[in-house]
Amino acid sequence: GEDVEQSLFLSVREGDSSVINCTYTDSSSTYLYWYKQEPGAGLQLLTYIFSNMDMKQDQRLTVLLNKKDKHLSLRIADTQTGDSAIYFCAESIRDYKLSFGAGTTVTVRA
Amino acid sequence: EAEVAQSPRYKITEKSQAVAFWCDPISGHATLYWYRQILGQGPELLVQFQDESVVDDSQLPKDRFSAERLKGVDSTLKIQPAELGDSAMYLCASSLGGPQGGYEQYFGPGTRLTVT
Repeated sequence: GEDVEQSLFLSVREGDSSVINCTYTDSSSTYLYWYKQEPGAGLQLLTYIFSNMDMKQDQRLTVLLNKKDKHLSLRIADTQTGDSAIYFCAESIRDYKLSFGAGTTVTVRA
Repeated sequence: EAEVAQSPRYKITEKSQAVAFWCDPISGHATLYWYRQILGQGPELLVQFQDESVVDDSQLPKDRFSAERLKGVDSTLKIQPAELGDSAMYLCASSLGGPQGGYEQYFGPGTRLTVT
């Protein structure tokens, strides 16, 4: 996970937008992923983006990719208490294996 | 909705004992992964299978860990002997894999291992 970096914590007010940022190092990554992990649970695939895309929108989720800067972000619109979790960014490396960041803990406050 | 199954969900064992985890991937998924997630960190790949063959086990501590997927479906990860530093969440994931695409990995609920 040391090749993928994320900020560790984010606190956001309910109803506001959350933006989680990630930087990666492998310029040959074909796919980049966002996963969500709730306490004591496995990882839930939220969305992914192919490396030739700049943006992908899926309901409340928007993924932005800046391939030049190797920067990925996930925006969650209208953040709800159920969005409180740890969010992991991951890049696909050789043979489509995933390299994960350390995760960003998102806390939604009322 | 198809899911990856894992058992047990929780396991407490004493150091030097043997422990085994089981994973059943989503039906039709050729690629299976085992990850270890230490508290406060992201998952790290231990071993990757394509059908019944090991594709990558470079990060698997082979002196104590072993993994098999004999019929190319379900898989078992074993630790013998367990050490205190093995306490972690062990996650299994699967993907369709192959040239037709479908490389997204879907994770099971994990097995939380505590070694005392």
